[in-house]
Amino acid sequence: EAGVTQSPTHLIKTRGQQVTLRCSPISGHTSVYWYQQALGLGLQFLLWYDEGEERNRGNFPPRFSGRQFPNYSSELNVNALELEDSALYLCASSLTTGGASYNSPLHFGNGTRLTVT
Amino acid sequence: GQNIDQPTEMTATEGAIVQINCTYQTSGFNGLFWYQQHAGEAPTFLSYNVLDGLEEKGRFSSFLSRSKGYSYLLLKELQMKDSASYLCARGGGATNKLIFGTGTLLAVQP
Repeated sequence: EAGVTQSPTHLIKTRGQQVTLRCSPISGHTSVYWYQQALGLGLQFLLWYDEGEERNRGNFPPRFSGRQFPNYSSELNVNALELEDSALYLCASSLTTGGASYNSPLHFGNGTRLTVT
Repeated sequence: GQNIDQPTEMTATEGAIVQINCTYQTSGFNGLFWYQQHAGEAPTFLSYNVLDGLEEKGRFSSFLSRSKGYSYLLLKELQMKDSASYLCARGGGATNKLIFGTGTLLAVQP
């Protein structure tokens, strides 16, 4: 089966610009998660979508937003980019809403590397 | 990582055994995951523990003690390809999100 796919793979933006990252989950997965992986900070939870609804968000400002489409793909939007937004943005999907059981671990995409200059 | 502690770096020798420890905050606990992440690649799922004890999967085993808020990942017969970052992640209870540690970068030397 095809894995989680993310686009683009790399992106360079300047401070103040806006960016949209895209994610397609594994077929049949309804839950999509977004994580930020900045250097030395580990994966930080951003957003969780399930069945088109935002279910939870992490400790990030409102300029980080997103949505999930009827086909379960998802977008992450970041407005007013700041230098510290430079990071690897990882999307993950799971079979059930939990993502915390053996039968439905998170499956990650290869991420989008965002550089803000 | 938020309320999760694991060593930053470890070094081990090819063919040896290495244990990577992880401690976490026990409130709202809902399962403990281990992921492997090679440089420039996506994290891949290794193991999941929700009950106390040892789960063995080939060369990799994972242990959990819920009362102590402690887990470890045991890698046996180390191979060079095991050089990677190993991420401990805790299921976040009602919030249904995984909280990750900062990862342990393991370097396997010949």
